[in-house]
Amino acid sequence: QVQLQESGPGLVKPSETLSLTCTVSGGSINNYYWSWIRQPPGKGLEWIGYIYYSGTTNYNPSLRSRVTVSVDTSKNQFSLKLSSVTAADTAVYYCARHLSGDSIIYYLDYWGQGTLVTVSS
Amino acid sequence: DIVMTQSPDSLAVSLGERATINCKSSQSVLSGRNNKNYLSWYQQKPGQPPKLLVYWASTRESGVPDRFSGSGSGTDFTLTISSLQAEDVAVYYCQQYYSILPITFGQGTRLEIK
Repeated sequence: QVQLQESGPGLVKPSETLSLTCTVSGGSINNYYWSWIRQPPGKGLEWIGYIYYSGTTNYNPSLRSRVTVSVDTSKNQFSLKLSSVTAADTAVYYCARHLSGDSIIYYLDYWGQGTLVTVSS
Repeated sequence: DIVMTQSPDSLAVSLGERATINCKSSQSVLSGRNNKNYLSWYQQKPGQPPKLLVYWASTRESGVPDRFSGSGSGTDFTLTISSLQAEDVAVYYCQQYYSILPITFGQGTRLEIK
């Protein structure tokens, strides 16, 4: 059974960089696409970006200028960096796995439990 | 962006009754290449991550009770719970993966017991 676990600071100061890591266990990170999704308190889901195990990335245009997603296949991990954060970036951040076929990304079948990141001084 | 609009925003249904949640996309998510609708449904209970219920608009994920069913094509989709159980209280989201820049979700529909 594949499991994903987010880790990182729960509190980030405004203007600083939010950094999270997702550790994949029970399966390989290889040959899959992996996404970050966030959910502000009491609100809906927003896709942030994805990475293929090979390192190919795509980001939500609304966040592209501030987002970097990277992968470390040797550790079965992928990471998120979001720069210049404000209170609007306060959210539960989820990592998740995509099914895919023919290099086309599909739906999300496994999700981490999520981690709350609060942006506050 | 493909905008996903769910209706209603909230819904109260009696135990054992049918619950119907709608999702409309701003453009078709039906692929002419494989005749599949790139549409999935998720269930999110309080304090938990979303859980995949349905993909390709109508394929139930393994382990999901058969009272959950998805239907629709093109731009209009429906998630139906045939006989509501207490454990089905949750927020339900549709998501399109036809256009991945960006992947988009509906705003969510809150389902409660009447």
